Amino acid sequence: DQQVKQNSPSLSVQEGRISILNCDYTNSMFDYFLWYKKYPAEGPTFLISISSIKDKNEDGRFTVFLNKSAKHLSLHIVPSQPGDSAVYFCAAIGGYNKLIFGAGTRLAVHP
Amino acid sequence: DARVTQTPRHKVTEMGQEVTMRCQPILGHNTVFWYRQTMMQGLELLAYFRNRAPLDDSGMPKDRFSAEMPDATLATLKIQPSEPRDSAVYFCASGMGQSNEKLFFGSGTQLSVL
Repeated sequence: DQQVKQNSPSLSVQEGRISILNCDYTNSMFDYFLWYKKYPAEGPTFLISISSIKDKNEDGRFTVFLNKSAKHLSLHIVPSQPGDSAVYFCAAIGGYNKLIFGAGTRLAVHP
Repeated sequence: DARVTQTPRHKVTEMGQEVTMRCQPILGHNTVFWYRQTMMQGLELLAYFRNRAPLDDSGMPKDRFSAEMPDATLATLKIQPSEPRDSAVYFCASGMGQSNEKLFFGSGTQLSVL
């Protein structure tokens, strides 16, 4: 039973447009969420995070939104660039401070 | 430039053989995680160590997998005997053990069991 779900395996966006990646979770005890980015043949790297006491966190072109009542978060990338093409993983922090990941969404940004 | 180092980068082996994957966490980090990346499950947590002690290995098939930290600079993940369904990318990550911290990942070991 996956506690963190990314239901869209892939997303294709034109350069300059907004990319929206979605993530749902089932455990209401989760109180901290992170997004990681992964390029081929590399390990995931941290992108942005959000605490449950906030509903928005912004870092440059990246913004994460959290809707606690819906148990839903999303990552917005504006404007999207070809270098953003990667797999994006949503993660929540569970017991023992361990990261629980979703299955990932492959983003392709095309010119 | 501190980073998590994993060896080997690639491993091809035959079914039934023993496989050992190694990880050197970032110096000063006291938590180590092993994850497995599969197409269907994404990043699955296999095992988790804090100060070299195993805290959670509930995601790991106990009959064939084992994880250890012989010292603070080395974590190992062993599969014996290996099976084709074990083929995946295995990632090691380390952290400082702080609340709500981000983890740093290695580049992974691509394992193929024929």
